[in-house]
Amino acid sequence: DAGITQSPRHKVTETGTPVTLRCHQTENHRYMYWYRQDPGHGLRLIHYSYGVKDTDKGEVSDGYSVSRSKTEDFLLTLESATSSQTSVYFCAISEQTLYGYTFGSGTRLTVV
Amino acid sequence: GEDVEQSLFLSVREGDSSVINCTYTDSSSTYLYWYKQEPGAGLQLLTYIFSNMDMKQDQRLTVLLNKKDKHLSLRIADTQTGDSAIYFCAESGNTGTASKLTFGTGTRLQVTL
Repeated sequence: DAGITQSPRHKVTETGTPVTLRCHQTENHRYMYWYRQDPGHGLRLIHYSYGVKDTDKGEVSDGYSVSRSKTEDFLLTLESATSSQTSVYFCAISEQTLYGYTFGSGTRLTVV
Repeated sequence: GEDVEQSLFLSVREGDSSVINCTYTDSSSTYLYWYKQEPGAGLQLLTYIFSNMDMKQDQRLTVLLNKKDKHLSLRIADTQTGDSAIYFCAESGNTGTASKLTFGTGTRLQVTL
């Protein structure tokens, strides 16, 4: 499998707590993405990165922040978790548009 | 913004052909993709088509693109139980400094015996 791992795989957290999800790649790809997957909505882009320290917002970025201090790591932080952020979060990497994305296995986050 | 739509569910019998349809709104899309998601897993790229192509065939998979109607379809020949999964259509938009894919809601394919 391509070298992309997400951690943790599962997490349960309480409303109002900060949560950080990690995406790690060994492919040296330039682009990294965070999506969330919800029934009836497919995948929606939260944030993406086009290089170290270069990030931008996606369509559902409110309540989320990201950081990319190294090529291989892209962190997603929920600043103060809410129940509406209960979802499955996927990280993806890409080098060229032609080849699409390679996805991680996902993190299932439950906010109680 | 860009929008990609798919029907939610399709049921076919083993051995029949499956056709999964997708419509998109961004006429500047350069690439269109089909991804497969098995339970508990991430998405796997199945195939892609460049916007100046009408058709692409890859073993049991045939992709048809009608650019005028902004309609994309995925045909799976001789559908097997292992093809049961959620299939996502995605479009690239006009590729600029970063490729950002817009995904449809996914079509759940159920293969019955």
